Amino acid sequence: EPEVTQTPSHQVTQMGQEVILRCVPISNHLYFYWYRQILGQKVEFLVSFYNNEISEKSEIFDDQFSVERPDGSNFTLKIRSTKLEDSAMYFCASSPTAENGYTFGSGTRLTVV
Amino acid sequence: GNSVTQMEGPVTLSEEAFLTINCTYTATGYPSLFWYVQYPGEGLQLLLKATKADDKGSNKGFEATYRKETTSFHLEKGSVQVSDSAVYFCALSESGYSTLTFGKGTMLLVSP
Repeated sequence: EPEVTQTPSHQVTQMGQEVILRCVPISNHLYFYWYRQILGQKVEFLVSFYNNEISEKSEIFDDQFSVERPDGSNFTLKIRSTKLEDSAMYFCASSPTAENGYTFGSGTRLTVV
Repeated sequence: GNSVTQMEGPVTLSEEAFLTINCTYTATGYPSLFWYVQYPGEGLQLLLKATKADDKGSNKGFEATYRKETTSFHLEKGSVQVSDSAVYFCALSESGYSTLTFGKGTMLLVSP
């Protein structure tokens, strides 16, 4: 069964450093998403991406965040200068249409120290 | 704005017990409703969904009915197994939009 692959599974970074979280969506999917879950809290929407541009973003997705699909297969989330409060599990997802048929990856646990 | 409220966990049950995980929602329109499951070390998987009032979603013995009058979408299973141990997330999306609003998740622990 096709999978969404996220790497790394766990990343530890120092406050103020840049991190890039990587995702390989399912190959024929057109819509891509990032969500995050701070420990003990809700899974929150960050951003959706379609046709090489952001289609929707939440208030969390400020200027410190960016997304890119650099080579037609990877879908990356960059945090420019990490803060302690960015520590969370980050989930990538993709879907073939705008209707809800998401496939989620297993997540990257980001720890900012 | 939209919100989803789930019962606090963990829910601890013995094998073959009946399961209910409560979920209520607040939405401005007529949302679609979902249950996702996360097994240890894995991603979120869609368990079931319902797109309009009185619809019943079902999968793997789990069921949930979209109740517009009580704004609820409670998850039920008649006889749980140890392999059902996971975290269960209730979620909604507004009609015509794909963004999901999740609840906090409820951990289910099933013992033999």
